[in-house]
Amino acid sequence: DGGITQSPKYLFRKEGQNVTLSCEQNLNHDAMYWYRQDPGQGLRLIYYSQIVNDFQKGDIAEGYSVSREKKESFPLTVTSAQKNPTAFYLCASSQWGTDTQYFGPGTRLTVL
Amino acid sequence: QKEVEQNSGPLSVPEGAIASLNCTYSDRGSQSFFWYRQYSGKSPELIMSIYSNGDKEDGRFTAQLNKASQYVSLLIRDSQPSDSATYLCAVLSLISSGSARQLTFGSGTQLTVLP
Repeated sequence: DGGITQSPKYLFRKEGQNVTLSCEQNLNHDAMYWYRQDPGQGLRLIYYSQIVNDFQKGDIAEGYSVSREKKESFPLTVTSAQKNPTAFYLCASSQWGTDTQYFGPGTRLTVL
Repeated sequence: QKEVEQNSGPLSVPEGAIASLNCTYSDRGSQSFFWYRQYSGKSPELIMSIYSNGDKEDGRFTAQLNKASQYVSLLIRDSQPSDSATYLCAVLSLISSGSARQLTFGSGTQLTVLP
């Protein structure tokens, strides 16, 4: 089955801890994205990557970091510098040159 | 700051009726427009994309685009209780710093279809 997987589905973090959210796709898509969604709000772009070993900040990159060492993987680290990390995190991918983004199932992060 | 505006709702329609969802956007240079459906606790699912002025139909769904008015809408005919969800409008624009393009999402309209 082709698709995007995210893990874990639920994640609990203590204040001051860094956590890493996994995103893997087997669609052979070039571009990958991380979004954050807060209750009752739309999605906001955190980081995106068009090709391996390259990524760009989105609208709300502060307190987050990413890497893109492989085409199929785009992990997101939520650092202790992110003051309000409790949210629903969504990973997406698209074939470069097309505009359509497809989403993974998401990770719900809660800070205790 | 590129903006995408939607009525948050909730919008309630009876089963079998037409649901009309609206979206306006601020960036005149926007090129592509998308409607996503999001069930509670789930990730967004693409329903429709539209790129040129006019109507685009896919089954019970019709997307309408008017670039002059910076307006895009989604009509759902013969609404079913399973259509109850939040509908997100997304607009693709060029990122000013380079050749990349960015999706900007509205906050979504919550639709309830009453049996």
